[in-house]
Amino acid sequence: NAGVTQTPKFRILKIGQSMTLQCTQDMNHNYMYWYRQDPGMGLKLIYYSVGAGITDKGEVPNGYNVSRSTTEDFPLRLELAAPSQTSVYFCASKGQVGTDTQYFGPGTRLTVL
Amino acid sequence: DAKTTQPNSMESNEEEPVHLPCNHSTISGTDYIHWYRQLPSQGPEYVIHGLTSNVNNRMASLAIAEDRKSSTLILHRATLRDAAVYYCILRGPHMDSNYQLIWGAGTKLIIKP
Repeated sequence: NAGVTQTPKFRILKIGQSMTLQCTQDMNHNYMYWYRQDPGMGLKLIYYSVGAGITDKGEVPNGYNVSRSTTEDFPLRLELAAPSQTSVYFCASKGQVGTDTQYFGPGTRLTVL
Repeated sequence: DAKTTQPNSMESNEEEPVHLPCNHSTISGTDYIHWYRQLPSQGPEYVIHGLTSNVNNRMASLAIAEDRKSSTLILHRATLRDAAVYYCILRGPHMDSNYQLIWGAGTKLIIKP
């Protein structure tokens, strides 16, 4: 299994541009999460999904959108990028109820100039 | 949500045991205690979790105080590869939290050769 994969690894955006961060997992996990991590800080939850077609806001959802049309994919959309969205973005997934471990991707480092 | 308090950083010598403390004085009876670690430039990885009893796995041991207001992650023989930021996280019961994890800043563990 590849686990959780994220693309791209790095990206530089100009203010006002849009982009989609891709996340795919091959473990057939129902739960998926998007986090952002600012320098020297812990992770903050942006959005999460408990299954295909179901998404919900986390702690810091403003400026982002998500969709979950399949079990495997959970893309994160940034509309009208702002410098405050400069961060490292991590996607994670978790298996069925009764299992507790979240598996993380390698992250996408985004800079908005 | 109940919060955790960890030292900003700790140092240890290679091949010696490391005890990483975490205080969670407002923990509720149904909160699980999770530990994740984040190696430099990588996504977090699961280390261990527990509810009331001490737990052991191949990576570490988790010692939970009898009143559950504190816990200690024990690395029995630290290596240079254990240098990372260690996060102590409380996770509420499934129906309340959908397995959301609330992350603090963690403890940066420095291993000296």
